[in-house]
Amino acid sequence: QITLRESGPTLVKPTQTLTLTCNFSGFSLSTSGVGVGWIRQPPGKALEWLALIYWNNDKRYSPSLKSRLTVTKDTSKNQVDLTMTNMDPVDTATYYCAHRRGDGYNRYYFDYWGQGTLVTVSS
Amino acid sequence: DIQMTQSPSSLSASVGDRVTITCQASQGISNYLNWYQQKPGKAPKLLIYDASNLETGVPSRFSGSGSGTDFTFAISSLQPEDIATYYCQQHDNLPFTFGQGTKLEI
Repeated sequence: QITLRESGPTLVKPTQTLTLTCNFSGFSLSTSGVGVGWIRQPPGKALEWLALIYWNNDKRYSPSLKSRLTVTKDTSKNQVDLTMTNMDPVDTATYYCAHRRGDGYNRYYFDYWGQGTLVTVSS
Repeated sequence: DIQMTQSPSSLSASVGDRVTITCQASQGISNYLNWYQQKPGKAPKLLIYDASNLETGVPSRFSGSGSGTDFTFAISSLQPEDIATYYCQQHDNLPFTFGQGTKLEI
């Protein structure tokens, strides 16, 4: 059974750096084809893909946020971290991590999601 | 970036109705299109992958079709538990992009 859970601060100040952790179980991030993605959703708005880390430690980022994002993994701890620098009130959103099912670098199905964590950016 | 445009933005229907939602991509994406259901306060749930494949455990009243730039999601007989917002998502090119969502109400 695959489960994911996000954790991190619920409130950050503008210009601060946010670090979120995704702890997962039921799969290994060293298995070929597996990945963990980060997706966010501002209150009342649509979903926005942020980043993805692959089983082989390759990484992909949203171009619009690439300069601010870093995703890392600790396979032994079943953990993926997302760091976002220079936080702004427009970054207020629920942040989700999700398991990626796919085939190598083809096909991206986010088939299991964490419950999400709401991060508010305010002074 | 590939833009995904869903219509309608909201939809009101009755139990038992057939409901359809469309999603249009700004460029051809073959069948690299997924559909998700999101209930209030919950994470999205994958329903359909690669335009027409039903995810395991998803009721057969849900279906998807299309290829290229035009896609359709359908519920053959609306049930009360289907009240949610539905999103399409392309995975042909990075960055992966979602539609703006279709809020389904009874």
